Amino acid sequence: QQQVKQSPQSLIVQKGGIPIINCAYENTAFDYFPWYQQFPGKGPALLIAIRPDVSEKKEGRFTISFNKSAKQFSLHIMDSQPGDSATYFCAASKNAGGTSYGKLTFGQGTILTVHP
Amino acid sequence: NAGVTQTPKFQVLKTGQSMTLQCAQDMNHEYMSWYRQDPGMGLRLIHYSVGAGITDQGEVPNGYNVSRSTTEDFPLRLLSAAPSQTSVYFCASSQPGSPRGWKLFFGSGTQLSVL
Repeated sequence: QQQVKQSPQSLIVQKGGIPIINCAYENTAFDYFPWYQQFPGKGPALLIAIRPDVSEKKEGRFTISFNKSAKQFSLHIMDSQPGDSATYFCAASKNAGGTSYGKLTFGQGTILTVHP
Repeated sequence: NAGVTQTPKFQVLKTGQSMTLQCAQDMNHEYMSWYRQDPGMGLRLIHYSVGAGITDQGEVPNGYNVSRSTTEDFPLRLLSAAPSQTSVYFCASSQPGSPRGWKLFFGSGTQLSVL
């Protein structure tokens, strides 16, 4: 079963718009929630991440909002640019005494297109 | 630095053939893992390793073998290829410790088609 559910599958916005990608998880043992960005023909790359002890984290134009009680988190891209067009994956991991490093559970991915 | 290098970039196999996907990293990372990426499924963990000589299964291990004889290399073997293994395969590495352990460095992928 999909432990991390991501929506929407695809998203089209105009330049300057604020796309929002949502993720929901089921396993309350998850305690690290990264977002990865993937350009065509490339591997995913870490964009931003959050721990459940904070409700929001901002890095440049990218913001993660986290709702622990609802088991949901989302990515907001402020002032989106055509160069932000990529596939975005949310993910989750649980700290199991160090043996969980490198083990991420990914969402299904969202293909974002930003039109000029 | 090259980072994580995967070879080949593309491969076509016939059902029943075997092959090895190569992965090498030059960052001296202890953790390495293999994921497969399928449309609508995201990335799913196949196998992972926390150090030379130590491997374990991920979410979708059936039909794949791994070994880790050195820190740098983590090959993925397909024993008898099946059409269901048509996918894009990514190798990743990371360092231990929080939160570094969850920052995965991915290779550029191997696109595999099984006919």
